[in-house]
Amino acid sequence: SAVISQKPSRDICQRGTSLTIQCQVDSQVTMMFWYRQQPGQSLTLIATANQGSEATYESGFVIDKFPISRPNLTFSTLTVSNMSPEDSSIYLCSVEDPQGTYEQYFGPGTRLTVT
Amino acid sequence: SQKIEQNSEALNIQEGKTATLTCNYTNYSPAYLQWYRQDPGRGPVFLLLIRENEKEKRKERLKVTFDTTLKQSLFHITASQPADSATYLCALDAGGGNKLTFGTGTQLKVEL
Repeated sequence: SAVISQKPSRDICQRGTSLTIQCQVDSQVTMMFWYRQQPGQSLTLIATANQGSEATYESGFVIDKFPISRPNLTFSTLTVSNMSPEDSSIYLCSVEDPQGTYEQYFGPGTRLTVT
Repeated sequence: SQKIEQNSEALNIQEGKTATLTCNYTNYSPAYLQWYRQDPGRGPVFLLLIRENEKEKRKERLKVTFDTTLKQSLFHITASQPADSATYLCALDAGGGNKLTFGTGTQLKVEL
């Protein structure tokens, strides 16, 4: 298993600004994932972050809007850039099980409100 | 187009009964399917994984079935308790490694 923490847990931001969300894992993992969960909706994958390479973005998500860093095997950041109220959402990071079982472990999420 | 559908309406059942949640998918050929539990304000928690060559998987009071012909998974909680109240999400591999695509989730309420 893996234990994941995220910072901040919540934030209220003005439109046009950017917020960087941090994700820390207690063990080394190859792949980290960033999801968005809009109010009352399910999870949508934003991108997959591998250490040492560029993140891979899903359809509808672009690097300019959601730049991701993955400096080592236990840490990643997601930035939500030039925010608008439509970006209000919960942002979650997850990691694959270090044992390779395909299970994913999720952080507690960052609740973002854009005014 | 690809779709994963779960009961959109909340499921209310009495304590002690068996809850059955459904996950249907179209235009996917998943190697495995997973079920997660999500409580309000928290991230999803992994419950069970079932592979395409498995018909059924059990873990304590939980049972999952996987019918690749019907493109459906059923998730059962036996002897349900109020503490089982949560949203349950199914997820399947979308190809290309360990990426998951999640269903819409079903909210379960277990009443005394």
